[in-house]
Amino acid sequence: EIVMTQSPATLSVSRGERVTLSCRASQSVSSNLAWYQQKPGQAPRLLIYGASTRATGISARFSGSGSGTEFTLTISSLQSEDFAVYHCQQYNDWPRTFGQGTKVEIK
Amino acid sequence: QVQLQESGPGLVKPSETLSLICIVSGDSISDNYWSWIRQPPGKGLEWIGGIHYSGSTNYNLSLKSRVTMSVDTSKRQVFLRLTSVTTADMAIYYCTSGHWFDRWGQGTLVTVSS
Repeated sequence: EIVMTQSPATLSVSRGERVTLSCRASQSVSSNLAWYQQKPGQAPRLLIYGASTRATGISARFSGSGSGTEFTLTISSLQSEDFAVYHCQQYNDWPRTFGQGTKVEIK
Repeated sequence: QVQLQESGPGLVKPSETLSLICIVSGDSISDNYWSWIRQPPGKGLEWIGGIHYSGSTNYNLSLKSRVTMSVDTSKRQVFLRLTSVTTADMAIYYCTSGHWFDRWGQGTLVTVSS
């Protein structure tokens, strides 16, 4: 199976900062990569699919990039509501697999 | 827009079978792909498997011998059956739609205990 590795595990940032999260696949997943945001006690919410396409209703401060094995989620200016865990997921192959998540916490 | 609602017993005994239902509302259950994903408390997400509305399935190999999924398009329901549960199966179970999971249910917590 394709192993997804996210880094860092935890990121301490201040409001207004630019944030970059990384996701690496153990083999190419083309652009079949999604990002999710999960807040405590809530289900994950789709942010990005196709590596760079924002889902409906997602703020333009979220952007995704990459293809193949290296992917990035960028939050241009971190807002209070953005403190959460972010998961990447590949849907290029079976089984679908997720990274272990990156927690973005308040510095 | 589609809404998903998981339901099932919150408590299952070890070695017994877990059965969950996902009720789909707001959109057609047809021409879509439905997955079950679980998340042990404080841990990451694990894809259990998925089913096309036509009935074709894909399962995570780690669970394949214990998992069965089915769909009833007339009732707009998607089913998950997991046999021989252990404490390792304790998790929040989510129903989702699409190949990238664009809709999620709120999740249902399943505890495994005698």
